[in-house]
Amino acid sequence: AQKITQTQPGMFVQEKEAVTLDCTYDTSDPSYGLFWYKQPSSGEMIFLIYQGSYDQQNATEGRYSLNFQKARKSANLVISASQLGDSAMYFCAMREQDYGGSQGNLIFGKGTKLSVKP
Amino acid sequence: NAGVTQTPKFRILKIGQSMTLQCTQDMNHNYMYWYRQDPGMGLKLIYYSVGAGITDKGEVPNGYNVSRSTTEDFPLRLELAAPSQTSVYFCASSPNRVGDEQYFGPGTRLTVT
Repeated sequence: AQKITQTQPGMFVQEKEAVTLDCTYDTSDPSYGLFWYKQPSSGEMIFLIYQGSYDQQNATEGRYSLNFQKARKSANLVISASQLGDSAMYFCAMREQDYGGSQGNLIFGKGTKLSVKP
Repeated sequence: NAGVTQTPKFRILKIGQSMTLQCTQDMNHNYMYWYRQDPGMGLKLIYYSVGAGITDKGEVPNGYNVSRSTTEDFPLRLELAAPSQTSVYFCASSPNRVGDEQYFGPGTRLTVT
C-alpha cells in the first residue's frame, strides 16, 4: 500500500490566487514527520515546510502553510498568493520515527505539477 | 557552507560500464541517503547510512553499492550499468530523524545507452 498519496498529477492556478495541493499518508507510527519539497524545472529539491505528528498547530512558512488533519491522515499544502515562480513539481514526503529498524529516510509521493498562469 | 555536493552533474554510460557517483556533505551529519528519481515519479531510496562504517539497503538497491569510510563522503557505485538505471540520482543528508529536514544535493542525471 502506498504510504504517501498525491492524487493530483497536475494543477493550474491563476497568479495571485491561493492553491491547495493534496497529500494523504498512511502510517501506524505515532511519531512521524511530514514534509513538502518543491522541485523546479532545474531539478533541485527545495525544502518548503515541515509538520510533526505531535505539533498542535499547523505549520506555516511565509506563503506556505500545511493543513494538517491528523484523523484524516492528510497534510495538504496551501500556497497563498501564487507567483509565476511557484510553477514546479511539489512532493509530499513522510519520515517515520526510527525505532531501531527504520532508516529515517523520506518516503515520497509521486508529486503534483503546479502551473501558475499569468 | 557548501552543504551537499554531488559529482558529476551529468553522465552518459554504455551498457555494462561502471562508475561512481560522488557525494560529500560538510554539515557533519550522521545520516546520508541515496535516492533515485525516475521520470514523472517521486524519489526512491537506494541505500542509506547512519554513520561512518554503517550502510544498509533501501527500497531499490539492486545494481548498486555504497561505502561510508568518513562522515563526509558517501559514494554510490554502479556496476554493470543497465538502461533501467537511467535516472536522476540525489544524495541527501540529515542530522537527526523525524524532525529534521533532509538536505539534498543538486542531483546527477545519468543516462545508460
